[in-house]
Amino acid sequence: AQSVTQLGSHVSVSEGALVLLRCNYSSSVPPYLFWYVQYPNQGLQLLLKYTSAATLVKGINGFEAEFKKSETSFHLTKPSAHMSDAAEYFCAVSGGSNYKLTFGKGTLLTVNP
Amino acid sequence: EADIYQTPRYLVIGTGKKITLECSQTMGHDKMYWYQQDPGMELHLIHYSYGVNSTEKGDLSSESTVSRIRTEHFPLTLESARPSHTSQYLCASSEDTFYSGNTIYFGEGSWLTVV
Repeated sequence: AQSVTQLGSHVSVSEGALVLLRCNYSSSVPPYLFWYVQYPNQGLQLLLKYTSAATLVKGINGFEAEFKKSETSFHLTKPSAHMSDAAEYFCAVSGGSNYKLTFGKGTLLTVNP
Repeated sequence: EADIYQTPRYLVIGTGKKITLECSQTMGHDKMYWYQQDPGMELHLIHYSYGVNSTEKGDLSSESTVSRIRTEHFPLTLESARPSHTSQYLCASSEDTFYSGNTIYFGEGSWLTVV
């Protein structure tokens, strides 16, 4: 069994400030972890993924995430927020024999000028 | 990265009508999925397929049906649309390899409004 918890359904930051979106997972097998971004009226776009290689993963648009097994976390960060980062962000985990992805409930990021 | 195409992007239809949402992918992925997402809400898996002639129900019960006659095509059909079916439907496919960890790629979504 696997699950994802995204802490905070809504995060608001100022432009230029640090972005931190939190994700904790539960998995009975070594997990693969993903972050997706969804802009209004669009599908989901893959930001980055962890697949048991380097624990610090760099993605598109300046985002990165660190896999911490001891904390069962995969938090998403960006040093300096841009207005264009405003979107919904989903964390997801896969693992086990069926490889189905389980998504978190999403975190809406707003960026204030 | 996969190219996944969904049509129509937006559809407004009357109650009782039959609709089919089309989904095609060009990367030869064996696995395909349909997710349902209400505005600002989480994604729910409603159907998936591991290959041709394979279809399974997802985690969320849905009155829709799917078929997989060709690898690249995974249409979703509602025989009789109701207002409760109003939602966004997202099609996806994945490359299931040990390295990729079943990375899923999404289409742009189809917004269905039933009036």
